[in-house]
Amino acid sequence: SAVISQKPSRDICQRGTSLTIQCQVDSQVTMMFWYRQQPGQSLTLIATANQGSEATYESGFVIDKFPISRPNLTFSTLTVSNMSPEDSSIYLCSVEDQTFATNEKLFFGSGTQLSVL
Amino acid sequence: GENVEQHPSTLSVQEGDSAVIKCTYSDSASNYFPWYKQELGKRPQLIIDIRSNVGEKKDQRIAVTLNKTAKHFSLHITETQPEDSAVYFCAAKRGSWGKLQFGAGTQVVVTP
Repeated sequence: SAVISQKPSRDICQRGTSLTIQCQVDSQVTMMFWYRQQPGQSLTLIATANQGSEATYESGFVIDKFPISRPNLTFSTLTVSNMSPEDSSIYLCSVEDQTFATNEKLFFGSGTQLSVL
Repeated sequence: GENVEQHPSTLSVQEGDSAVIKCTYSDSASNYFPWYKQELGKRPQLIIDIRSNVGEKKDQRIAVTLNKTAKHFSLHITETQPEDSAVYFCAAKRGSWGKLQFGAGTQVVVTP
């Protein structure tokens, strides 16, 4: 399976500031996603990061708050803008590996634990 | 869109016993059903998955069953061990380019 590196692993930020999370994959992947996992909760899809075009956001998430870049098939960033304490969550990058052997399986990066004061 | 319900929310079992987690889905066109295990402070890890053309799949002590008619699927863990303690998430997806919809998760605690 693809090796997914995500950084930072954790950060403590002041409200009103922004944080950019990076996700690097060791192979080219078509589908990259960003998820949020609030404390003790399930995984919620924020957006699909599309290479060469604007990200596709899920209901309840907007580009102004969570701008995403996807400059190539191995890298993406998620920015959490104008943060408030409600943004305190784990943010997870994920990729869908569609090679023959793994066929649509979704793998996750190690996550970014964000705390907003 | 797809809605996945997962039960129970918590499950305590004695070491060596079996654990069963059940999920139901709403979209009859969903055709891919993975299960993830998330240990405390770690990323979710894919442990087993099943496609809609298969009724059951096993991998050592874990198995997944799928009932398409009833639109539910289950995770079975046999001979549980303390290292099986984690949160387990089921998910469902429609088509090759669909998005995974996750269940709410089940906290499994295996006591020695």
